[in-house]
Amino acid sequence: AQSVTQPDIHITVSEGASLELRCNYSYGATPYLFWYVQSPGQGLQLLLKYFSGDTLVQGIKGFEAEFKRSQSSFNLRKPSVHWSDAAEYFCAALGDYKLSFGAGTTVTVRA
Amino acid sequence: NAGVMQNPRHLVRRRGQEARLRCSPMKGHSHVYWYRQLPEEGLKFMVYLQKENIIDESGMPKERFSAEFPKEGPSILRIQQVVRGDSAAYFCASSPTGTGENEQFFGPGTRLTVL
Repeated sequence: AQSVTQPDIHITVSEGASLELRCNYSYGATPYLFWYVQSPGQGLQLLLKYFSGDTLVQGIKGFEAEFKRSQSSFNLRKPSVHWSDAAEYFCAALGDYKLSFGAGTTVTVRA
Repeated sequence: NAGVMQNPRHLVRRRGQEARLRCSPMKGHSHVYWYRQLPEEGLKFMVYLQKENIIDESGMPKERFSAEFPKEGPSILRIQQVVRGDSAAYFCASSPTGTGENEQFFGPGTRLTVL
């Protein structure tokens, strides 16, 4: 069965520190991969996506993600977090036409 | 170019009432998807529709839930005889195609509360 796993439910980081959110997928073939961010009570905003090609993908708000086929991973990174990055982050994989989402990682930023 | 629009943004219903959630896809998009986000969970696929056709409803509960995407007008997700467990955020997404490098664009969601 196709699935996406985000091992970390909650991460707390200091403002200015680096952030890495983990995502692993289980699919028969390489799926298309996405990271979304959701602020409380809001909808989903696409941060970045991977379809093919360069395995290091740049997104909005200073985020990047690296696709590693050997590890079935698509981890999200940001070198220096801002207080406004506090939100919930979802990794998702597209198989055919359905998006499968991980359970999400909540990021708290402390001053 | 307006994004995906959903209304209402918030909906409160009493148990046993009907809930109607509307989704207008982005201009030029003929593929619509509905997802449900239960509290403290990620989004789960419910149904995929093209104009006038249901392509895949494998994520829809078998009873009380239905969806349509008529030739004219928005897509409608209808929940009959709502129960407390239906309280969730319902997101609609649209795309120009249904396959390939198919980015889905999400609306702001409708948050349903069942009293």
